[in-house]
Amino acid sequence: NAGVTQTPKFQVLKTGQSMTLQCAQDMNHEYMSWYRQDPGMGLRLIHYSVGAGITDQGEVPNGYNVSRSTTEDFPLRLLSAAPSQTSVYFCASRDSGGSSYEQYFGPGTRLTVT
Amino acid sequence: AQRVTQPEKLLSVFKGAPVELKCNYSYSGSPELFWYVQYSRQRLQLLLRHISRESIKGFTADLNKGETSFHLKKPFAQEEDSAMDYCALSGPLTGANNLFFGTGTRLTVIP
Repeated sequence: NAGVTQTPKFQVLKTGQSMTLQCAQDMNHEYMSWYRQDPGMGLRLIHYSVGAGITDQGEVPNGYNVSRSTTEDFPLRLLSAAPSQTSVYFCASRDSGGSSYEQYFGPGTRLTVT
Repeated sequence: AQRVTQPEKLLSVFKGAPVELKCNYSYSGSPELFWYVQYSRQRLQLLLRHISRESIKGFTADLNKGETSFHLKKPFAQEEDSAMDYCALSGPLTGANNLFFGTGTRLTVIP
C-alpha cells in the first residue's frame, strides 16, 4: 500500500491564482482530512470528510473548498490564493471502523504564495 | 471547547539525559490522547496513543486525568529523537472525532 499520497510536493503561486492540492489514499478509509501546519500554531484542521459525498468545515476553512466524489480522493482547492495561505498542507485519513482515532498522514505539500 | 497546551516551543537536552515534553489538555469527557512526531524531512507519524499503553522508541506517556496531562517521557535521550513533537486529542466533541493538535515542541538532543 502507498498509504496517503499528496501532489505536488512544492508549489509557488502568485496572489489571486487558484490551484488544487491532490490527496489520495489506498486504505479504503472513509474519513479524510486536510490540515495546515504553521510555525507556532501547530496543525489546524481545514476541512474533513466522513465519506464520499460528505464534507464539513474544520477550524480554518476560509479560502478553501473540498469535494469528495470517491472514497480514495480528497482534493483541496484554493480559490484565490493569498500570502496568508503560505503553509505546509497535510492530508490524512483514518479507518472509521477502528477502535482508535489514529490518523495516517501524507508527506505534505509546501505552498508559497507571493 | 477542547484545548491542547504544549508550554515549551523548544526543548534541548543532552544525549543520555532524561527528557519530558509536557502536554496538558482541556476536554469535557474522556478523549483519546496521542503523541505524533515529525522527523526532519519525514511525514507526521504516530508515536504513542494512551489507549495502547505501549512504549515506542523508549518513550512513554501516562494519561493523568486528575491533572489532565499526557506528558511524554524518555529516560535517556538519543540524537535520533530530535524532532517536532505534537500532542493531540480526539473525541466526539472535536467533531467526527477529528484530531485537535497542540502547537508542538521542537526537541533537540545535543550530542
